[in-house]
Amino acid sequence: GQNIDQPTEMTATEGAIVQINCTYQTSGFNGLFWYQQHAGEAPTFLSYNVLDGLEEKGRFSSFLSRSKGYSYLLLKELQMKDSASYLCAVVDSNYQLIWGAGTKLIIKP
Amino acid sequence: DGGITQSPKYLFRKEGQNVTLSCEQNLNHDAMYWYRQDPGQGLRLIYYSQIVNDFQKGDIAEGYSVSREKKESFPLTVTSAQKNPTAFYLCASSILNIGTAEAFFGQGTRLTVV
Repeated sequence: GQNIDQPTEMTATEGAIVQINCTYQTSGFNGLFWYQQHAGEAPTFLSYNVLDGLEEKGRFSSFLSRSKGYSYLLLKELQMKDSASYLCAVVDSNYQLIWGAGTKLIIKP
Repeated sequence: DGGITQSPKYLFRKEGQNVTLSCEQNLNHDAMYWYRQDPGQGLRLIYYSQIVNDFQKGDIAEGYSVSREKKESFPLTVTSAQKNPTAFYLCASSILNIGTAEAFFGQGTRLTVV
């Protein structure tokens, strides 16, 4: 079967760093996306990894290890507006997305 | 401004009624998708279309129907055959297949069956 695992909820402090993990077991792998979704709103694209390693984009970075079936999203200098759900999605062998349930991130002052 | 628009934002339906959710995009994207989002679950694919006048079933197509008569529009009908239709529905579009390019999502329609 296909499985994407993310923690259900995480809490962090404004100004700190948080790492959101995603592990996957899928039929084929053609890349991994991270999306941000504020409550009741549309998901928005954050990052895409297809090769092993770290991709940095401002305060957000995403890491991929294909051999371990593992990715993480690193958020630095946390701001209150970063309170949202973070969705991990793996591209399977048919180039469709398999979505994790999302990690709800709560930022406290 | 280019974007993808879903309407309405909230929708109430009586049991036994069909209802149609609208999705329009002016991004000139070929590919469009309908997902369902339930609490504690990942997005699940209902239908997708990669070209006008053609569409494919996703993982949970039963009880739903779509059409793609225009590039800009991809309406979803939730029929009375859908056993558990109360959910948050998201429409998305991408310039290429969603597995190869950034997807743009609409604001969603929250459907409640009463």
